[in-house]
Amino acid sequence: EVQLVESGGGSVQPGGSLRLSCAASGFNFNGNWIHWVRQAPGQGLVWVSRISGDGTTTYYVDSVKGRFTISRDNAKNTLYLQMNSLRVEDTAVYYCARQSNYGFDSWGQGTLVTVSS
Amino acid sequence: QSALTQPPSVSGSPGQSVTISCTGTSSDVGTYNRVSWYQQPPGTAPKLLIYEVDNRPSGVPDRFSGSKSGNTASLTISGLQAEDEADYYCSSYTTSNTFRFGGGTKLTVL
Repeated sequence: EVQLVESGGGSVQPGGSLRLSCAASGFNFNGNWIHWVRQAPGQGLVWVSRISGDGTTTYYVDSVKGRFTISRDNAKNTLYLQMNSLRVEDTAVYYCARQSNYGFDSWGQGTLVTVSS
Repeated sequence: QSALTQPPSVSGSPGQSVTISCTGTSSDVGTYNRVSWYQQPPGTAPKLLIYEVDNRPSGVPDRFSGSKSGNTASLTISGLQAEDEADYYCSSYTTSNTFRFGGGTKLTVL
């Protein structure tokens, strides 16, 4: 069974940093692009970033470029999102999701990040 | 990088059909057959319903179908059931090698 489990969320002040993790199991982790998607309270889904199976290629939504860094450790079957210079508008539930055939076929349960003074 | 355009809400009675539209541009929906659809009941993670415009993953009922014409993709739910009440999102791959979601549509089963 495919499983994705996020962790690392919490409360942080504006300008602070957090690192999210996504532990994967049940599939060949290094064979898939993996994504971060966020959802602000009461709002819609927003695609944030993705990383290739071998970790060499990454893409970001404009609003997080230069502040967030996606990475993965295939030996640990774990995806990361380093978030720096956090803003109030980064407050959201962050999901990791596996890409398959240009769809996101497996999702974690999400981890809440709250940026507030 | 604005969101794809979806109607905020749709509704239908049990047994009826509803269609949710998803309008993008020539930089996303219009260029690629890489549109997917997701169902998200309150308080839960999204679930993949349709990938690459009109393909259903195993386990998704054939009441859910997808299509595309030009810059607009559509999700049709036939034989509406009470359990279909949820938020629905479309997503598309873009010419910038990124992805984009729609703003979401709340489906109410009357």
